[in-house]
Amino acid sequence: EAGVAQSPRYKIIEKRQSVAFWCNPISGHATLYWYQQILGQGPKLLIQFQNNGVVDDSQLPKDRFSAERLKGVDSTLKIQPAKLEDSAVYLCASSLGASGGYSYEQYFGPGTRLTVT
Amino acid sequence: QQQVKQSPQSLIVQKGGISIINCAYENTAFDYFPWYQQFPGKGPALLIAIRPDVSEKKEGRFTISFNKSAKQFSLHIMDSQPGDSATYFCAARGYGQNFVFGPGTRLSVLP
Repeated sequence: EAGVAQSPRYKIIEKRQSVAFWCNPISGHATLYWYQQILGQGPKLLIQFQNNGVVDDSQLPKDRFSAERLKGVDSTLKIQPAKLEDSAVYLCASSLGASGGYSYEQYFGPGTRLTVT
Repeated sequence: QQQVKQSPQSLIVQKGGISIINCAYENTAFDYFPWYQQFPGKGPALLIAIRPDVSEKKEGRFTISFNKSAKQFSLHIMDSQPGDSATYFCAARGYGQNFVFGPGTRLSVLP
């Protein structure tokens, strides 16, 4: 079974530029998550999709971050414009079930390391 | 109330020793407590998980101990090996809620 795929793996941009990350979840997984992991901290949820609908985006800085999951499969996360404090690893994860069910196990991709200079 | 506290921040253990990492929570609605292992350049991977209806769960060299009254849970790694060197995250989740992660513990097992 193929795992969660993410690209690019690394990205360096200057502040005020824009950047986009792509995620392809495990086939058949209805739920997709984007996390931000700042160096030395645990992952923090940014947004959760159930199929192509947003379930939770309460911690997404909506003035600069946006995400979509077209057709309920692949997803993109965009930052525009980037700030220095956005430097982090952006992790995508997927799971079979929704947060309201008991299919809790989530599988993480390798992440995209973003450096904003 | 949504926080999960984790200690120690870093841990150095000799090969063959026991590694112990502790976590504490406040939200009594949490009902699922996983531990994740993360190697450099990789995403976190589920290691072992427990629900509060049991006090201990063991899988190979890894054991979770759970104390519901104290709202604490811990990961024990027996016979620690250099290949166990990684960052470990505890997490918690309630029904209908999303995961909350601890800040992580960097484990180094010396050969």
